[in-house]
Amino acid sequence: AQKVTQAQTEISVVEKEDVTLDCVYETRDTTYYLFWYKQPPSGELVFLIRRNSFDEQNEISGRYSWNFQKSTSSFNFTITASQVVDSAVYFCALHGGATNKLIFGTGTLLAVQP
Amino acid sequence: GAGVSQTPSNKVTEKGKYVELRCDPISGHTALYWYRQSLGQGPEFLIYFQGTGAADDSGLPNDRFFAVRPEGSVSTLKIQRTERGDSAVYLCASRPGEGGGYTFGSGTRLTVV
Repeated sequence: AQKVTQAQTEISVVEKEDVTLDCVYETRDTTYYLFWYKQPPSGELVFLIRRNSFDEQNEISGRYSWNFQKSTSSFNFTITASQVVDSAVYFCALHGGATNKLIFGTGTLLAVQP
Repeated sequence: GAGVSQTPSNKVTEKGKYVELRCDPISGHTALYWYRQSLGQGPEFLIYFQGTGAADDSGLPNDRFFAVRPEGSVSTLKIQRTERGDSAVYLCASRPGEGGGYTFGSGTRLTVV
């Protein structure tokens, strides 16, 4: 079975703080993809990143960075110097190569206070 | 179109009524997915189509839910005898095929009163 766990339900930080959102996944597939999505109050799911299971290189995009650790089945997301506009619910998701569907975690609500 | 279009954006219906939710995927995308997102939860998989056929409908909660994609493009999610527990945002996503990323629509907010 596939499963994505986001243990942090809510996180509150003050602007300019760094924050890390945790994601742990379970899958029996040898080929899979991991995703992060942002869902602001408007409700749309905004794609942030997709990483395949064979690429464990960390990635940085502006203030965002992702740490993929296959050994611990984790795909954590760090926002550096957080801003109020980062306030949203963030979802980690897993697409299994065999099951061919996207399974979401329960999300982490990030509140960035000015 | 440029993105995945879902109509209506909001739907209020009475308990026991039948509703249809429409999804218009990105042109050329062969895979189409339906998800349901209840308040405070992550999107939950319902069904996915590859072309015209339902490749996996394991997420449909019961036989009141049904979806079709007769021409391999537009899809309709149909809910019979709606219940208050069906209230949620219904999201549609499409993919170009193997290895392609998901593009989500804005969703239909269904409220059953």
